[in-house]
Amino acid sequence: VQLVESGGGVVQPGRSLRLSCAASGFNFTNFTMHWVRQAPGKGLEWVAVISGDDKIKYYADSVRGRLTISRETPKNTLSLQMIGLRPADTAVYYCARGGPSSSDHPLAWYFDLWGRGTLVTVSS
Amino acid sequence: DIVMTQSPDSLTVSLGERATISCKSSRSLFYSSNNKNYLAWYQQKPGQPPKLLIYWASTREAGVPDRFSGSGSGTDFTLTINSLQAEDVAVYYCHQYFAIPPITFGQGTRLEIK
Repeated sequence: VQLVESGGGVVQPGRSLRLSCAASGFNFTNFTMHWVRQAPGKGLEWVAVISGDDKIKYYADSVRGRLTISRETPKNTLSLQMIGLRPADTAVYYCARGGPSSSDHPLAWYFDLWGRGTLVTVSS
Repeated sequence: DIVMTQSPDSLTVSLGERATISCKSSRSLFYSSNNKNYLAWYQQKPGQPPKLLIYWASTREAGVPDRFSGSGSGTDFTLTINSLQAEDVAVYYCHQYFAIPPITFGQGTRLEIK
């Protein structure tokens, strides 16, 4: 059971980047998935969530309109499309597993599985 | 948004002693319909992702040593680490999942050994 992020790198302000998170060892469709980021030396900041059935997506105010969460069920992959990147977006981006779709409130759940993260650096 | 405030920001404790970290939320995290508090605790060691320790405020995740315990209800929560071990050096975060969006975390508490 694991999550493996990829796609990070150094990008200039205003440019785009797409992160991926490969899920394995569990039924990806049955779980809500999140992106959480951590700026260098700082705390955890929740970024976005997507429901297991792909019908519900929520975003942090700081990224709404610039970052888009999606999932490709056949590939067991979670994605984060990032446009209009800013230096403040510099962080390690983690994908995390949330609640099972079978629960009463799958969006309101703790994160029991995390990837190791991928570093995004926005700098000119 | 629910604001999560941890105290202290940093803590130095001797090996074998007890460490106590507080987390206060700006709104109650208790849902009366299921009698649960929507609060989790994570441990993060340098260069590693966060690791789930406690969920529903007091349920220990499988494999977490029983020296870790969570307590509290409503707006006030505590993470207690008994018999502190060297490997417990880390930053600890509380996390509310009661109101989404947004999910929010405490600012973190850095635990060091004296």
